[in-house]
Amino acid sequence: ELKVEQNPLFLSMQEGKNYTIYCNYSTTSDRLYWYRQDPGKSLESLFVLLSNGAVKQEGRLMASLDTKARLSTLHITAAVHDLSATYFCAGSYSGAGSYQLTFGKGTKLSVIP
Amino acid sequence: DAGVTQSPTHLIKTRGQQVTLRCSPKSGHDTVSWYQQALGQGPQFIFQYYEEEERQRGNFPDRFSGHQFPNYSSELNVNALLLGDSALYLCASSRGGAGFEAFFGQGTRLTVV
Repeated sequence: ELKVEQNPLFLSMQEGKNYTIYCNYSTTSDRLYWYRQDPGKSLESLFVLLSNGAVKQEGRLMASLDTKARLSTLHITAAVHDLSATYFCAGSYSGAGSYQLTFGKGTKLSVIP
Repeated sequence: DAGVTQSPTHLIKTRGQQVTLRCSPKSGHDTVSWYQQALGQGPQFIFQYYEEEERQRGNFPDRFSGHQFPNYSSELNVNALLLGDSALYLCASSRGGAGFEAFFGQGTRLTVV
């Protein structure tokens, strides 16, 4: 059974600073997803990482995947207030007929001026 | 493209009642998954429907049931509601096989009193 752990669960950072959110998973995951959720809203897809060494960047966010370490990171560069949200990573494993996404508990990010 | 749409957006039910939530998938998508997100937690997989059949189920009791219609839309039914069923219910749609990216609807906020 795939398990996903994120840390930290809460992150308060100043505008302009850099930080990294970590996502560890327990068994083989052939896809790793990052989502953003604003309060009371749905999940917005940020990145889909498919293979070892994959790196994707969008604006101030960069995600990477290390399948050997079973680790994905979401790096935030020069944070701005608009990035305040909860960020989830989720893994999926299509083997043995499994189709579900398994989510971490989320990292609540607050960017303060 | 309307994306994934869910109805209603909010509802309040009394313990013991039954509720039906509805989801229309994104155009071109034939697979619908349902997730329950309790406050402050990551989404938990309830089940997935493909070709009008339940393809996979998470760790939820039989009080949770679903249906998929020929037009790929789906319903989630919950019987004998408990206070603990209060949550945001998210529908996600995707295409066919495992590994295709899931897109989430805006969710239905269910409150059980």
